[in-house]
Amino acid sequence: GAVVSQHPSWVICKSGTSVKIECRSLDFQATTMFWYRQFPKQSLMLMATSNEGSKATYEQGVEKDKFLINHASLTLSTLTVTSAHPEDSSFYICSASGQYPGELFFGEGSRLTVL
Amino acid sequence: AQKITQTQPGMFVQEKEAVTLDCTYDTSDPSYGLFWYKQPSSGEMIFLIYQGSYDQQNATEGRYSLNFQKARKSANLVISASQLGDSAMYFCAMREPDYGQNFVFGPGTRLSVLP
Repeated sequence: GAVVSQHPSWVICKSGTSVKIECRSLDFQATTMFWYRQFPKQSLMLMATSNEGSKATYEQGVEKDKFLINHASLTLSTLTVTSAHPEDSSFYICSASGQYPGELFFGEGSRLTVL
Repeated sequence: AQKITQTQPGMFVQEKEAVTLDCTYDTSDPSYGLFWYKQPSSGEMIFLIYQGSYDQQNATEGRYSLNFQKARKSANLVISASQLGDSAMYFCAMREPDYGQNFVFGPGTRLSVLP
């Protein structure tokens, strides 16, 4: 089956630094990928929709300059958390739509801890 | 208004027993897809089952079945013969329209299977 891979799984960084998270579709082309954020014991909240070759569509309340999304190819989308602060610590998950109805594949998630 | 409601924050079930996790949804779009995902402590989102709004029969996948009551706008997940490994968070989700990009998650239900 289709696989979506995220890297890194875990990242710890100092406040003020930038962190890049990659989301790859391994055996299919994903024109659209989604980035979610999940706080402990809460549900997934959609942050943005990443479209290959165009600008991402951000959900209301999500800072575009803070969370930079790049979808440069049909198999790779990246989320860069710029000038990270402790409140950005969270679990970030990407997903990609498959070609058939009902298909939505998730990455393994990336746990970010900002010290 | 909440698009997806899961009224059970936590549920307990005895091993080998069946359990039903509730999910109600709100949409005016005739085309939508309903999903259930399992999230163990590792964080990955595991797809369990999908039901399209136009599907005539309830979806089934192994020990998982979806009790789809369209008029009531409910899509309860039934897990038969619970196993200890079923202990996890379970999220109900909806995509509207079914071929579209808008995907929302419910707050989740934490299921604990007791030996």
